Amino acid sequence: EAGVTQSPTHLIKTRGQQATLRCSPISGHTSVYWYQQALGLGLQFLLWYDEGEERNRGNFPPRFSGRQFPNYSSELNVNALELEDSALYLCASSLESGRRLFFGSGTQLSVL
Amino acid sequence: AQSVTQLDSQVPVFEEAPVELRCNYSSSVSVYLFWYVQYPNQGLQLLLKYLSGSTLVESINGFEAEFNKSQTSFHLRKPSVHISDTAEYFCAVSDLGGANNLFFGTGTRLTVIP
Repeated sequence: EAGVTQSPTHLIKTRGQQATLRCSPISGHTSVYWYQQALGLGLQFLLWYDEGEERNRGNFPPRFSGRQFPNYSSELNVNALELEDSALYLCASSLESGRRLFFGSGTQLSVL
Repeated sequence: AQSVTQLDSQVPVFEEAPVELRCNYSSSVSVYLFWYVQYPNQGLQLLLKYLSGSTLVESINGFEAEFNKSQTSFHLRKPSVHISDTAEYFCAVSDLGGANNLFFGTGTRLTVIP
């Protein structure tokens, strides 16, 4: 069974640009979560999607947004990139909220 | 809100030696506690969790953690580490068990030295 897949593996952007990160959950999982893993800050919750709707978001500015498609895959969009957005972005999926999380390998975003 | 503190950012230990990775949390409500592991070039994986019941929880690869409510701790231990245990370990806390309010610590890099 395929795990959570994220693309691209690495993404290099310049300040002010937009980045789009993609995530495919495990088949059958309806909940998708996005986390930011910045150096020295640990993992921070970004967004939670379930059944196509945004259910909750962490303490991040509105330029961090996303969506979940009918097939439960998800996109994370970061607009007006700033240097401090450089981090590993992890996607996780679960069968439903409160159930075990399965993580992807992440997208390393570098903002120059 | 909850918070998690992992005081040790790096823990080097010789192979077959015991190890303890410390985790302390703060919360005004009952919590669920987790340890996640991130092996090199891999995604995060759940190592073990405490939801209720016995305060000592074990993983399949020899790690164990004990929930200590009075000390608000959930330290991870292993009596004898292997080279393959080299990884980043994250402690996490949630008050509802849901991933949308899962708070992670900053991680501890365990390096096992041959």
